[in-house]
Amino acid sequence: AQSVTQLDSHVSVSEGTPVLLRCNYSSSYSPSLFWYVQHPNKGLQLLLKYTSAATLVKGINGFEAEFKKSETSFHLTKPSAHMSDAAEYFCVVTDVLNAGNNRKLIWGLGTSLAVNP
Amino acid sequence: DVKVTQSSRYLVKRTGEKVFLECVQDMDHENMFWYRQDPGLGLRLIYFSYDVKMKEKGDIPEGYSVSREKKERFSLILESASTNQTSMYLCASSTSTGANQPQHFGDGTRLSIL
Repeated sequence: AQSVTQLDSHVSVSEGTPVLLRCNYSSSYSPSLFWYVQHPNKGLQLLLKYTSAATLVKGINGFEAEFKKSETSFHLTKPSAHMSDAAEYFCVVTDVLNAGNNRKLIWGLGTSLAVNP
Repeated sequence: DVKVTQSSRYLVKRTGEKVFLECVQDMDHENMFWYRQDPGLGLRLIYFSYDVKMKEKGDIPEGYSVSREKKERFSLILESASTNQTSMYLCASSTSTGANQPQHFGDGTRLSIL
């Protein structure tokens, strides 16, 4: 069975400093991995996805993530945090839901990112 | 852009009531999903549907049912609401074309059962 672990429940950074949100996964076969962001009282927005192409994936708002199979990791980074980045971030891995292309998403519990002025 | 619209942002109902949460997507997606989100528990899948009139149980279907009579609309039904169903409910949709399509979410319905 697949699983995903977000290693930090809360991360606090200063505006302008780098962001690192850590995610490890387990998978019995080649996974697809996603990062979603949720701003307060809003739904979830896709930041980026990895689907067995390039291991360094660029997403929206300056975020990127690197798939490292040897470390079973998919950490999310951003060179310089902005106040608007304060939100909840979720790492997600796919699992087989039923036949064909319908896949169940396995969700991490989220990392709350605070950005201090 | 994909638009997933949930009919209510906030809803307050009483114990024992039958509650309907509605979700509509405008991208002709085959798959639709209902989740609930609770602090410390993340997102948990309640039900999903991969075609009209088709439905499958997720991880926590007890106390819920769903209806998908049209491709664009997926309804979540609380048959007899209880206080432990107070939660944020999120609807999502995705296409079946390609194996790794992301899900697109609505803004959520915050449901309180009194």
